[in-house]
Amino acid sequence: AQTVTQSQPEMSVQEAETVTLSCTYDTSESNYYLFWYKQPPSRQMILVIRQEAYKQQNATENRFSVNFQKAAKSFSLKISDSQLGDTAMYFCAFMNVLGGATNKLIFGTGTLLAVQP
Amino acid sequence: EPEVTQTPSHQVTQMGQEVILRCVPISNHLYFYWYRQILGQKVEFLVSFYNNEISEKSEIFDDQFSVERPDGSNFTLKIRSTKLEDSAMYFCASSTEGRRGYTFGSGTRLTVV
Repeated sequence: AQTVTQSQPEMSVQEAETVTLSCTYDTSESNYYLFWYKQPPSRQMILVIRQEAYKQQNATENRFSVNFQKAAKSFSLKISDSQLGDTAMYFCAFMNVLGGATNKLIFGTGTLLAVQP
Repeated sequence: EPEVTQTPSHQVTQMGQEVILRCVPISNHLYFYWYRQILGQKVEFLVSFYNNEISEKSEIFDDQFSVERPDGSNFTLKIRSTKLEDSAMYFCASSTEGRRGYTFGSGTRLTVV
């Protein structure tokens, strides 16, 4: 069974600084998808970034980028130029591409990020 | 931008009562999901629904739970006889193709007293 581990329960960063959130996962599959979701105090789950395992290039979305290390099964999220609005819980999630009609997400336990003014 | 709409945002119910949580997925989406998040814990998969039937359900999704797509727009989660441990945030999500990531609703906070 696949598992997702986020070893940092809480992190703090100064506004405008860069922060990296860690995520590791365990799977025997070679093709899959990885996601980072953001959950602000409003509790809504918002997709931040997505990575396809068969693509070597790291995904980037504006200030958000990932460092995907397939051999190490590591998928970290880097937030550049942190803003107060980035304060949220961040969840790493795994999806098996062979899930077919299921496509269920397996979530980590989350990292609570606080951006300090 | 299209949204997944969930109602109500907060529901309080007595133990043993039936509740129905409602969701309106994005109109051209084909895959529908329910997840739950017990306060302070991780988000857990409950059930996925495609082509008018359940495609997968978790161990949490026992006989007390059911899902339905009664018309072309709504997607509901029913809990037949609520327990205290059903208190959680319930998220509905939908997607055109799950591997591109879902759109989640803003959740229904269910409190069982």
